[in-house]
Amino acid sequence: DTAVSQTPKYLVTQMGNDKSIKCEQNLGHDTMYWYKQDSKKFLKIMFSYNNKELIINETVPNRFSPKSPDKAHLNLHINSLELGDSAVYFCASSPRTASTIYFGEGSWLTVV
Amino acid sequence: DAKTTQPTSMDCAEGRAANLPCNHSTISGNEYVYWYRQIHSQGPQYIIHGLKNNETNEMASLIITEDRKSSTLILPHATLRDTAVYYCIVPSGNTGKLIFGQGTTLQVKP
Repeated sequence: DTAVSQTPKYLVTQMGNDKSIKCEQNLGHDTMYWYKQDSKKFLKIMFSYNNKELIINETVPNRFSPKSPDKAHLNLHINSLELGDSAVYFCASSPRTASTIYFGEGSWLTVV
Repeated sequence: DAKTTQPTSMDCAEGRAANLPCNHSTISGNEYVYWYRQIHSQGPQYIIHGLKNNETNEMASLIITEDRKSSTLILPHATLRDTAVYYCIVPSGNTGKLIFGQGTTLQVKP
């Protein structure tokens, strides 16, 4: 069973569209994250939720909106997609803040 | 935030030990050192972490110097599947935010 699962794995969409990436963890963790890895391969944190409460919100355009309906889910919604949003988006979770983080396999987003 | 510095790349012969160094000279007394790796096209994978003492698990060993200003990740018998980017990270503050640098690209060669 996959511990941190993301869907879709691959997504190709046109500029201006709105899309969502879903994430679920079955580890019973309290904290979840979204990271972005761009074409230069740098991994940067975007958001973190602890017990459904937003605790990290990096300088991300407000077109990106995370939603955590419960502790096991953290979805990422992106409005008005731009070419520069093309990247790999990784969801992750940890038992609590400041503990070991476990990553999903990534969602490859390509905006054309 | 404690910054880490690592060599950009390293090579290792298959079957030999891979020793990956990391400097973290500004680390605070209660901050842990974490190691992750990212194999091509996969999500980052946790390897090991430590505070003061040396640590060992089924994947690797972590040697931390007494002054805690540097550490070494040891893969005792590197295989081709260990080819990856290895990240040494000191999590930021009490949110545990991981700041990934460029890491060390380890190439294990036959």
